[in-house]
Amino acid sequence: DIQMTQSPSSLSASVGDRVTITCRASQSISSYLNWYQQKPGKAPKLLIYAASSLQSGVPSRFSGSGSGTDFTLTISSLQPEDFATYYCQQSYSTPVTFGQGTRLEIK
Amino acid sequence: EVQLVESGGGLVKPGGSLRLSCAASGFTFSSYSMNWVRQAPGKGLEWVSSISSSSSYIYYADSVKGRFTISRDNAKNSLYLQMNSLRAEDTAVYYCARVFGSPRGNWFDPWGQGTLVTVSS
Repeated sequence: DIQMTQSPSSLSASVGDRVTITCRASQSISSYLNWYQQKPGKAPKLLIYAASSLQSGVPSRFSGSGSGTDFTLTISSLQPEDFATYYCQQSYSTPVTFGQGTRLEIK
Repeated sequence: EVQLVESGGGLVKPGGSLRLSCAASGFTFSSYSMNWVRQAPGKGLEWVSSISSSSSYIYYADSVKGRFTISRDNAKNSLYLQMNSLRAEDTAVYYCARVFGSPRGNWFDPWGQGTLVTVSS
């Protein structure tokens, strides 16, 4: 199975900050990498697919990059509604696997 | 509006069984693969099982293989997860999710609101 490792596991930031979350795969997954946002008590929501494509309706302050084994999710200017947990997920091979999550908290 | 609504969760004793359902609306259900993903309390996301649009291809996580069975009824726009021999470690919120597939990969969108399964004596 492909292991997905996110860093950091938690992060404190302020409204207006630029934030970057990293996801590393245990082997090359090309660009088969997706990002999800989950708020407490809610279902995950797709943000970015295929490493860098913004899902319809997602604000443009979210962006994704990377290929191979190293990927990043960037939020250019944090808004209050962005404080949540973020997960990366690889779809290169079955079983699909997720990162452990990055909890983004208000400083 | 594309919508997925899970049901069937609840409290069950170890060794017991439960059947989850996911009702789909707002899209052509028979054209999409579907998945179950679970989340133990306070933990991350774990893929459980997937089924192709015509049920030709079915996959399971090793942790549930031989105990869980995924199925679908395209005439009823419904996805199911039959869970047998339940263990305490199966306690989780179970989400159904539509699979959006392309040459650029597969991603899950949307997700249902989830249904809680608690395995405890």
